[in-house]
Amino acid sequence: GDSVTQMEGPVTLSEEAFLTINCTYTATGYPSLFWYVQYPGEGLQLLLKATKADDKGSNKGFEATYRKETTSFHLEKGSVQVSDSAVYFCALSDPGSARQLTFGSGTQLTVLP
Amino acid sequence: GAVVSQHPSWVICKSGTSVKIECRSLDFQATTMFWYRQFPKQSLMLMATSNEGSKATYEQGVEKDKFLINHASLTLSTLTVTSAHPEDSSFYICSASFWREQWETQYFGPGTRLLVL
Repeated sequence: GDSVTQMEGPVTLSEEAFLTINCTYTATGYPSLFWYVQYPGEGLQLLLKATKADDKGSNKGFEATYRKETTSFHLEKGSVQVSDSAVYFCALSDPGSARQLTFGSGTQLTVLP
Repeated sequence: GAVVSQHPSWVICKSGTSVKIECRSLDFQATTMFWYRQFPKQSLMLMATSNEGSKATYEQGVEKDKFLINHASLTLSTLTVTSAHPEDSSFYICSASFWREQWETQYFGPGTRLLVL
């Protein structure tokens, strides 16, 4: 079945550091790919998505590119802020839908001032 | 907009009792509601999907008699863990979806932590 593997945390960075959280997936066909973020005490929020190969999703300075050849969707940000501290989840779903989501295990990010 | 609430946020109960968790979409009517379970340092696992007024669809391995789902309205779904046991202790998360810009998006609640003693 479909699965998502993301890098284990926790990840601790200083403010303005470069962030990469790795995510790879296993799926048949061409799934849609997502990054969700969960701030303390809140529900998961969609951060960005990509629906086909070579698409780049971006939001709030975060980016991720759908790489079919490496089955990856790594999350990056050039300069993190304290307010980016959260848990980040990579996920996939059937093409064209965010209905049947398969999640990775989440990566805790802490950004220190 | 698109806020989903859960109540309670945490609950402790004795083994053998039943616990009800509410999930509400506060400012929209949800097409579908989903219930997930998350163990520490593991993925969110989909338990069931429900539409208002119809029976929930459970994922393989999820006991429907153990985890009762009622979807009474377009803004409210409840999950009842019946005769809870310590192995049911977990973090339960709901989401509600609706169509926006030709895309069905899920909006997640903050989760309910259940501890069964």
